[in-house]
Amino acid sequence: ELKVEQNPLFLSMQEGKNYTIYCNYSTTSDRLYWYRQDPGKSLESLFVLLSNGAVKQEGRLMASLDTKARLSTLHITAAVHDLSATYFCAGGYTGNQFYFGTGTSLTVIP
Amino acid sequence: AAGVIQSPRHLIKEKRETATLKCYPIPRHDTVYWYQQGPGQDPQFLISFYEKMQSDKGSIPDRFSAQQFSDYHSELNMSSLELGDSALYFCASSSRWRVDGYTFGSGTRLTVV
Repeated sequence: ELKVEQNPLFLSMQEGKNYTIYCNYSTTSDRLYWYRQDPGKSLESLFVLLSNGAVKQEGRLMASLDTKARLSTLHITAAVHDLSATYFCAGGYTGNQFYFGTGTSLTVIP
Repeated sequence: AAGVIQSPRHLIKEKRETATLKCYPIPRHDTVYWYQQGPGQDPQFLISFYEKMQSDKGSIPDRFSAQQFSDYHSELNMSSLELGDSALYFCASSSRWRVDGYTFGSGTRLTVV
């Protein structure tokens, strides 16, 4: 079973600052996902990372994947309040279930 | 674009009652996954179906059952409901061999009283 760990679990950051969320996974996985979830809402797909060295960016968020280290990162640049949410990474194999990390609850304060 | 549709959005049941949750995947998606998310927790995988056959099974209680029908929609049946079953239930769909991410429905919030 794939184990996925995220840190930090809680993150409070000021607007305009940068920070990185880390996602470690225990065994090989052929894809790594990042999702955003607002309270009581569904999971919104942010990124799908498929290969070693993959880097994807959307607005103030950038995700990367290092399959050798079994590590993915989600970097936040110049945070704004709208980014406040819980961020999950998830890994797995094509066609099979994927396993979620514990989530990082991000609060961006003015 | 069509999304994953779940119904109902909210459901309130009493202990020991039965509930049925429905999921309509994105057209041409052949795989459906069910997840349960308790308050403040990460989603926990319950069960998945590929081409109407169960493909993977997670931490689904014996009181729960699910199936995928010929039109690819799926239903999660929950019997003898317990207070601890109160959660958000998500359905996700995908095309098994596509490289894009899974798409989640809006979820069904089940409250057992």
